[in-house]
Amino acid sequence: GPKVLQIPSHQIIDMGQMVTLNCDPVSNHLYFYWYKQILGQQMEFLVNFYNGKVMEKSKLFKDQFSVERPDGSYFTLKIQPTALEDSAVYFCASRRGYEQYFGPGTRLTVL
Amino acid sequence: SQWGEENLQALSIQEGEDVTMNCSYKTYTTVVHWYRQDSGRGPALIILIRSNEREKRSGRLRATLDTSSQSSSLSITAAQCEDTAVYFCATEAGSFNKLTFGAGTRLAVCP
Repeated sequence: GPKVLQIPSHQIIDMGQMVTLNCDPVSNHLYFYWYKQILGQQMEFLVNFYNGKVMEKSKLFKDQFSVERPDGSYFTLKIQPTALEDSAVYFCASRRGYEQYFGPGTRLTVL
Repeated sequence: SQWGEENLQALSIQEGEDVTMNCSYKTYTTVVHWYRQDSGRGPALIILIRSNEREKRSGRLRATLDTSSQSSSLSITAAQCEDTAVYFCATEAGSFNKLTFGAGTRLAVCP
């Protein structure tokens, strides 16, 4: 079936550094999402993105977070600066119809 | 929060047994998604049930939805070892279909 790819699979950084998480969505999909999952907890919505714009974001989507998809390339989540509480697995998803397809996640560890 | 169950539940059953996992939700939704998540991978949609359906079947899976009690269940008949995974229910909300996930059930089949 359709695949969403995420790069890198793991990232370890020091608190205060910037990090960019990359998502390669399904090619003809129009809607893009980021979700955050802390170990042992439920996955939580961060943001959705359509037609080059953020459509909706949750309270977890702090001012230090930003998303973009320049020229139809990777859909990225940037965190600048990072904080300890940003440690989690971040999942990207894309959608054209009713089903959201998820990538395998990027495990971010902030030290 | 959206969901009545806040903590990841755990179930362990033998191969061949039937199992039912339950979710309850607090806010209105027109559709409930059920996802499975294998270790190290992103969630994958396994069955979706809409508010005008009381029951939906797909192979050995059966989902039910009771909008009056705002609850949904997922049953697996004759569980197999490969059914071992974490199962999440999720509701859809908003114009851009953001998903709100429950805490999930970690199902273990086989030793």
